[in-house]
Amino acid sequence: SQQGEEDPQALSIQEGENATMNCSYKTSINNLQWYRQNSGRGLVHLILIRSNEREKHSGRLRVTLDTSKKSSSLLITASRAADTASYFCAPVETGGFKTIFGAGTRLFVKA
Amino acid sequence: DAGVIQSPRHEVTEMGQEVTLRCKPISGHDYLFWYRQTMMRGLELLIYFNNNVPIDDSGMPEDRFSAKMPNASFSTLKIQPSEPRDSAVYFCASSPGTLRGYTFGSGTRLTVV
Repeated sequence: SQQGEEDPQALSIQEGENATMNCSYKTSINNLQWYRQNSGRGLVHLILIRSNEREKHSGRLRVTLDTSKKSSSLLITASRAADTASYFCAPVETGGFKTIFGAGTRLFVKA
Repeated sequence: DAGVIQSPRHEVTEMGQEVTLRCKPISGHDYLFWYRQTMMRGLELLIYFNNNVPIDDSGMPEDRFSAKMPNASFSTLKIQPSEPRDSAVYFCASSPGTLRGYTFGSGTRLTVV
């Protein structure tokens, strides 16, 4: 089964700065997804990047995928206090749909 | 669309009692997942269904846990008998397919005393 490992575990930045979170995985994937979780709530799907894509944008989010290094990164530009949350990557393995979430990156954006 | 609906939102029960958690997935979503989240263990995948059929239940912790999906619009996760270590937030999620993301419910916070 496929699990994403996020890095760093925690990140604290000032409002307006950019935040970068990384994800590594081990086996071949069909796609990789990023989710956000605000304290006490369910996860919210942010963006999905397919294995044949290298970069994808959605608003202030930019995701990259390097299948040769089995890694992905999530960049949040011009961060806001409302971006404070935990962020999880979810690699979806080829031929399956079983997704095991890692421990996530806890992002704290100071106003 | 009301999203994935879970009930109850909170459940407090005594050790040894039976607990049933409920989930209504988004209409048209063929996949349904049950996760459990605790501070110590993070998010754990318990079981997932495809077209109402259990595909992988290897994450179900023990025989006290059982999950069913009698139709496309309803699933239950049952714990019998419950134990204090089952205390966690249980999430249900659904998805229309492998190239689409999951939609999570708001979760059920279970406390077993």
